Amino acid sequence: GAVVSQHPSWVICKSGTSVKIECRSLDFQATTMFWYRQFPKQSLMLMATSNEGSKATYEQGVEKDKFLINHASLTLSTLTVTSAHPEDSSFYICTGLDRVGRGYNEQFFGPGTRLTVL
Amino acid sequence: AQSVTQLGSHVSVSEGALVLLRCNYSSSVPPYLFWYVQYPNQGLQLLLKYTTGATLVKGINGFEAEFKKSETSFHLTKPSAHMSDAAEYFCAVTLGGQGGKLIFGQGTELSVKP
Repeated sequence: GAVVSQHPSWVICKSGTSVKIECRSLDFQATTMFWYRQFPKQSLMLMATSNEGSKATYEQGVEKDKFLINHASLTLSTLTVTSAHPEDSSFYICTGLDRVGRGYNEQFFGPGTRLTVL
Repeated sequence: AQSVTQLGSHVSVSEGALVLLRCNYSSSVPPYLFWYVQYPNQGLQLLLKYTTGATLVKGINGFEAEFKKSETSFHLTKPSAHMSDAAEYFCAVTLGGQGGKLIFGQGTELSVKP
């Protein structure tokens, strides 16, 4: 299967600072990437859909000015958490969409980034 | 709108016993269905998927699932549980059946007793 990496794997920051998380598709071109957030003991919630060369589409309730997404190339999407606060502490997971068969695209998951805001 | 319901947030079985994790979905279009496993502090790993064709799908680590349209179900089974199967399991459905947005169930934590 296709490989997606995330960097960093974990990050600790002070409240009020900004944090950038990178998501890379290593062996395929991902025109679409998705960003999910997972709080402890909870399921994954889709935050936004990132399309290469265009603005991201945010899910209802997700602040686009707080969670800045840039998909500047076919292999890289970044999520910047601006002015982070303790409630933003979570596990952030990205996926890359790759065509694996006729009419079917599959999401390949990154390993996740653990963000802790002090 | 698509949705996924996993019955039972926590399932406990003995080693060697049958594993059955339940998943029901709601979709207005033919669904693509997935089961993922997540170990602590790790990302998700695909166990198996149903897109089209055979309704009984075999996955990794001895797991399988059967798509039953009449019951709108996609339950995950494994004949004999192993200690290493202890993890969180998520059922998911795609929106529109074209590998778009994934809608996840609430997750089921599987515990395996020796």
